[in-house]
Amino acid sequence: AQSVTQLDSQVPVFEEAPVELRCNYSSSVSVYLFWYVQYPNQGLQLLLKYLSGSTLVESINGFEAEFNKSQTSFHLRKPSVHISDTAEYFCAVSVRNRDDKIIFGKGTRLHILP
Amino acid sequence: SQTIHQWPATLVQPVGSPLSLECTVEGTSNPNLYWYRQAAGRGLQLLFYSVGIGQISSEVPQNLSASRPQDRQFILSSKKLLLSDSGFYLCAWKGGFPGELFFGEGSRLTVL
Repeated sequence: AQSVTQLDSQVPVFEEAPVELRCNYSSSVSVYLFWYVQYPNQGLQLLLKYLSGSTLVESINGFEAEFNKSQTSFHLRKPSVHISDTAEYFCAVSVRNRDDKIIFGKGTRLHILP
Repeated sequence: SQTIHQWPATLVQPVGSPLSLECTVEGTSNPNLYWYRQAAGRGLQLLFYSVGIGQISSEVPQNLSASRPQDRQFILSSKKLLLSDSGFYLCAWKGGFPGELFFGEGSRLTVL
């Protein structure tokens, strides 16, 4: 069975500082990996995904994540955060070519300090 | 375009009462449908998913059940609610790309 671990439940960071949100997964088969974002009082929306090819994937709002197979990680990074990035971020995994079931981590709340 | 509706948005129920949360999707046919629960400190927990009418996969043993009576309708039910059933329930449908889930606005359930 697949699982996702997000070790940090909350991450405080000053505005314009860099941030890394950690995600590790466990699976005996090949996987797809995702980051979802939940802004306050809203549903979740897909931020970025790794399916195949380049291990570095980017979102339109400056976030990037790198798939590291040897470390089974898919950490999310942004070089300079903005107050509008305040949200909860969820890492998710599904089995490659059998992705009916999508498993989420517990989430990391990103708190931007002025 | 596709849309997803969930209701009710907010619900306060006593322990032991029944539950029915409804989710409908428009603008797509034969979607995979999902129920997740978001509870404090537990993240997003997959409860049920369905790949077609009458086909339900249960992920977590509990006193909840799900049904899919129509192609674009997904219902979450309980005969007797427990305090531990409190949480934020999210319905989602799966788009054409792997892992691409589209979520509804959620239903917040408080069991007293």
